[in-house]
Amino acid sequence: EAGVTQFPSHSVIEKGQTVTLRCDPISGHDNLYWYRRVMGKEIKFLLHFVKESKQDESGMPNNRFLAERTGGTYSTLKVQPAELEDSGVYFCASSLALADYNEQFFGPGTRLTVL
Amino acid sequence: SQQGEEDPQALSIQEGENATMNCSYKTSINNLQWYRQNSGRGLVHLILIRSNEREKHSGRLRVTLDTSKKSSSLLITASRAADTASYFCATDGDGNSGYALNFGKGTSLLVTP
Repeated sequence: EAGVTQFPSHSVIEKGQTVTLRCDPISGHDNLYWYRRVMGKEIKFLLHFVKESKQDESGMPNNRFLAERTGGTYSTLKVQPAELEDSGVYFCASSLALADYNEQFFGPGTRLTVL
Repeated sequence: SQQGEEDPQALSIQEGENATMNCSYKTSINNLQWYRQNSGRGLVHLILIRSNEREKHSGRLRVTLDTSKKSSSLLITASRAADTASYFCATDGDGNSGYALNFGKGTSLLVTP
């Protein structure tokens, strides 16, 4: 069974440009999460989808970030316009999220560099 | 709130020795999970322990959870060079949905042959 996949693996853009990251969760996982790790900091939660609905977006840093999950399958995270502080590794995870057993499976991450 | 503070930040041992990493957290949790990240790779799920469990084993891994002290430990027995990686604990139960994981900065483990 395929795991969580993310595309691209690396992205280098200039400040002010737009970048779209994609995540394909494990088939059958209704729950999808985005996290990011900025250099030297902890891995931080961004948001949580249940199917196509945003369940929790309390971690989204500002309105330059837009996440979508049309159809409840893959998800995209768009950063527009990108700023230097957006550089980091963006992880996606998915889970079945049973009420008391929240085992999340992570993708390899997308390393974003904003110059 | 910041959860999952790992201790120590870095650990260097020789193959065959045991490695113990600790994690402390601040608020109530549903589950605590340990993940491993090899350099440049994604996070690999190691083990999940529920808040009503005290100890769990998986192969060479042993995890304990003390909810009264809000702490957990990960023990890797008979370590191998391939265990070299960063290890993170992550808790859930906080936040709007309750499913968001809160990570610490991790423990960097180096196992030398």
